Amino acid sequence: GAVVSQHPSRVICKSGTSVKIECRSLDFQATTMFWYRQFPKKSLMLMATSNEGSKATYEQGVEKDKFLINHASLTLSTLTVTSAHPEDSSFYICSARTGFIQETQYFGPGTRLLVL
Amino acid sequence: AQSVTQLDSHVSVSEGTPVLLRCNYSSSYSPSLFWYVQHPNKGLQLLLKYTSAATLVKGINGFEAEFKKSETSFHLTKPSAHMSDAAEYFCVVSPYGGSQGNLIFGKGTKLSVKP
Repeated sequence: GAVVSQHPSRVICKSGTSVKIECRSLDFQATTMFWYRQFPKKSLMLMATSNEGSKATYEQGVEKDKFLINHASLTLSTLTVTSAHPEDSSFYICSARTGFIQETQYFGPGTRLLVL
Repeated sequence: AQSVTQLDSHVSVSEGTPVLLRCNYSSSYSPSLFWYVQHPNKGLQLLLKYTSAATLVKGINGFEAEFKKSETSFHLTKPSAHMSDAAEYFCVVSPYGGSQGNLIFGKGTKLSVKP
């Protein structure tokens, strides 16, 4: 149980285009989902926290207009990188947990984004 | 302020020998602590977690960690390394004990296992 999937696993896009990444909880309802960014050989940086049906809470320094997060259902959250630039190239990982605050976060397999 | 420090960026062991990955934390509150493993180009898998119950926590794949409040440490150990253990390991603190909103990640320790 507690499986989180991400799609796509890898995406290459041209500079200036937008890319949407999906995060799904496959066997549980995720009231809260998190989006992280991981640079090469670096740790994970929390970008934003999203609760189903409400606006995402962004961490300091993360541009909310650039990284659009939607959490429209209890099993799906999307991250859209708008007007992508080469510096947005990174490994994006989502995690999900149930509304019960004691529950562990379960991580997706990540999406490798390369902007040319 | 809450933080977590992984003392070694890279640890190399021979197959069959013990593994020790060190982690120290700083938290104003009673924290929850976790170890996650990440294999290349993969997501993170939870190895084990401490949430103020037993101080010696057993996880998957033979790993365990001991919470030592006096030393503010949560080192990860395994008696005998396997080739498949080669990966990146992250020590993580959730500073509000049980609340798993903001997880604070260490910088990671890369474990290499030699044949």
